[in-house]
Parts: sequence; structure tokens; C-alpha cells
Amino acid sequence: GIQVEQSPPDLILQEGANSTLRCNFSDSVNNLQWFHQNPWGQLINLFYIPSGTKQNGRLSATTVATERYSLLYISSSQTTDSGVYFCAFRGGATNKLIFGTGTLLAVQP
Amino acid sequence: EPEVTQTPSHQVTQMGQEVILRCVPISNHLYFYWYRQILGQKVEFLVSFYNNEISEKSEIFDDQFSVERPDGSNFTLKIRSTKLEDSAMYFCASSERGRGRGEAFFGQGTRLTVV
Repeated sequence: GIQVEQSPPDLILQEGANSTLRCNFSDSVNNLQWFHQNPWGQLINLFYIPSGTKQNGRLSATTVATERYSLLYISSSQTTDSGVYFCAFRGGATNKLIFGTGTLLAVQP
Repeated sequence: EPEVTQTPSHQVTQMGQEVILRCVPISNHLYFYWYRQILGQKVEFLVSFYNNEISEKSEIFDDQFSVERPDGSNFTLKIRSTKLEDSAMYFCASSERGRGRGEAFFGQGTRLTVV
């Protein structure tokens, strides 16, 4: 079946540091989304990025569809960035998003 | 900004009881979904719904689960006879487009605890 792998599984940063999270997927992509799950469990949409690069404030994302990976960049991290970051992939004619196992980010003051 | 809303936010139920989780998708969206997340695990797809019928379901979505769009705004997930292992966060989502395309937006989730 389709695999969605995220790395690293855990990450601890000092406030102000930058980080890169990676998502590898095993099939051609129609839809790639990044989410932040906050401590209350809510899934917050960060990016819809089946290809190319997007930026939103301190966050940016790049998907290289031909090489089947996506990257999420967090710059000047803040404690409020803590939580789990998921990528989710949809390919082919399916309607379902397949989620990765997530990266647990802890930003320390 | 339009959003997907879910009720209740928390529900505790006894094993064997029926529960109905409710969702109001974004108004111009046509595709609706339920996902669940067991504590500490990744988010898993349950079912997608389009044009008043199930368009895709996972192996998790067995006969104890059903979905319905009872009116023009609500979308529900019913679990007929809850088991301990049904305890999870349940997310409703909607998208404007389907067939692999279109951004999906998620509700804030319903945390179901079966005791």
C-alpha cells in the first residue's frame, strides 16, 4: 500500500531556532497537506501543496512531486509552535488522505 | 472564515451504547469525510461521502458504523454498539473537490471515551 513517512519522529528546539521536517511518499501525488495538531488535539491546516513552494509567515513548504517528498520549514521557532506536525497525502483516484506518523516538536524557551 | 464544526467536543459512553457524532461541513463543499485518531497514533481514514452515498471506506468502517446526511447541512457518524477500542478522537472533514484533489478542512474533533 501507499506509504507516508515522516522524519524526524521527535525534535527538540530552543526558541528562535530553525527546523526542517520531511515527508516522503510512495506514489504520485494529487494532494499533499501539512497540519499542526495543537495540544487540544485540533488539526490546523498549514499548507495545501501538491507541488511547488508556499510561504506563510515563519512557515514555508516545498513539495517535489517528481522525487516524492515534501519539506516543511519552520524559522525562528516559538513555544507556540510545539505540537505534532502531520503530512497527509492523497494520490490516484482515491478520496482519502493518508497521514504520516507525525513529527513531535517541542520548542523550549 | 468558513469552518467545519463538530458536536459534541467530548462524549463519554458505556460499552454497547449507540453514539452519534455530528458535523456541519463548510457550506459549499461537496465531499465529506470521517477520520479517527486513537491516542498517540496517527490519523486514520474511515469513510468518504459524496452525492448522498459512501464513495470510499476503510476496513475499519465495518457494520457497526454508518454515516448519514440527514439534511442540507449536517453530516453524522453513528456507532451502533460501542466497544472499548472505539475510544478515539473522531474528526470530520470536508472538501470542495474530490477524486484526489482539493484541500480538506478538518473540524476540531470529538473525543469519544468508551467505558
